[in-house]
Amino acid sequence: QVQLVESGGGTVQAGGSLRLACVASGLGLSDFGMHWVRQAPDKGLEWLALISHEGITKYAESVRGRFVISRDISTSTISLQLNGLRPDDTGVYYCAKPTALWGQGTLVTVSS
Amino acid sequence: SYVLTQPTSVSVSPGQTARITCSGDALPEKYSYWFQQKKSGQVPVMVIYEDTKRPSAIPERFSASSSGTTATLTISGAQVEDEADYYCYSIDPTGSYYVFGTGTKVTVL
Repeated sequence: QVQLVESGGGTVQAGGSLRLACVASGLGLSDFGMHWVRQAPDKGLEWLALISHEGITKYAESVRGRFVISRDISTSTISLQLNGLRPDDTGVYYCAKPTALWGQGTLVTVSS
Repeated sequence: SYVLTQPTSVSVSPGQTARITCSGDALPEKYSYWFQQKKSGQVPVMVIYEDTKRPSAIPERFSASSSGTTATLTISGAQVEDEADYYCYSIDPTGSYYVFGTGTKVTVL
C-alpha cells in the first residue's frame, strides 16, 4: 500500500529545533520528488521544500537557511530539520507528492 | 517573491456555477493545479492538474482553463458537498520554488 506517514511533531520553545520524518511506503524516492507543505491554524497551504528524485533541494524563501530537507533512500524516509523555530512556524506539516499522495500531517507548536 | 492571487470567497446557490480565478505572472508558461480542502486540517485533494486535466475520481462538474496570467476553476452545478477551500498551485517563473495560491472559500447554500 502506497502511503506517507509523518512523525516528529511536538511543542518546542522559540529558537529551538525539531526533526520531522516521513516514511514513504511503496514509493521509490529515487524515482519521485517529495515535498513538505505546512498549514498554520486557520490559514492557507504553504509550500516549504522539495527534494527531487535526483536529490536536488529547493526551498521557500520563508524557510531557506533555517529548514533542511533530506532523504534516506534505504529507509524510504524524507526528513525536514527545523531550526531557529519561531511562533509563526506553528502548524500542521505535511509530507507530500502533491499531485498524487499526502500524509496525514504532524503538528508543530512553537511557544514564545 | 512570487504570488498566486485568488479571491477570498465565492458564494453560490446549489446548482449554480462557481468560478475561482488564480492570477500569476508565470501562468502563461507554467502549469497550474487545483486542490480542494474540505476542512482546515483535512488532507488536500487534487481536483485539476496540468491546467485542465481532471483525475478520474473527480466529478465531471469540476473543470478548469488557463489563459494568459489567469487560471480558472469552474464548478458547474455546484453541490453542497463542494463547500471547501480551494487552492491553485504552480511554480515560480525561474523554476526555483513552488507556491500555493492565497486560497478561496467556496460556500454553496
